[in-house]
Amino acid sequence: DGGITQSPKYLFRKEGQNVTLSCEQNLNHDAMYWYRQDPGQGLRLIYYSQIVNDFQKGDIAEGYSVSREKKESFPLTVTSAQKNPTAFYLCASSIPSKGVTEAFFGQGTRLTVV
Amino acid sequence: EDQVTQSPEALRLQEGESSSLNCSYTVSGLRGLFWYRQDPGKGPEFLFTLYSAGEEKEKERLKATLTKKESFLHITAPKPEDSATYLCAVQASAGANNLFFGTGTRLTVIP
Repeated sequence: DGGITQSPKYLFRKEGQNVTLSCEQNLNHDAMYWYRQDPGQGLRLIYYSQIVNDFQKGDIAEGYSVSREKKESFPLTVTSAQKNPTAFYLCASSIPSKGVTEAFFGQGTRLTVV
Repeated sequence: EDQVTQSPEALRLQEGESSSLNCSYTVSGLRGLFWYRQDPGKGPEFLFTLYSAGEEKEKERLKATLTKKESFLHITAPKPEDSATYLCAVQASAGANNLFFGTGTRLTVIP
């Protein structure tokens, strides 16, 4: 089945640790995105990538890093510089059509700082 | 500044009681408006894309409409399995591929 796979589903981070969230897609989509979801707020864009080896910062990129070495993969690292990392993280991918982005999402990773 | 406001925040309906969810937007040139359904602990599921005022899309008990200032998601004769949070997002002409999301409407359908 085609889709977007995020792992792990739950992740616990100690203070000062870096952690990496995985996102893999087999939809042959060019563009991939990372969003953060907090209670009472809309999804906010962290990073996006339109092609391999290229990515751009979103609205809340501070404390995060990404790479795009393969079309299928777009991992997100939450660094120790991110002061409030507890959130639900969502990866998405899309093929822009008519200049419009219809994004399809994975099932998310819930990150908790312990 | 681009803005998306969804109302109400929460809505409780009896099974079979039709209603509408609202998404008001302010954006510098609308490229597309999107509706998603999100179940607790899951990622959003894509429902509809609307491109221009006057456009309508339907899927089972859901119908989405668009004007120049807002979109409605009409739910006809809802069932308990329609219970979810419904998210609205817009893409502005100047926003590259970024989607700007509202905070959602949490719908509960009571049997």
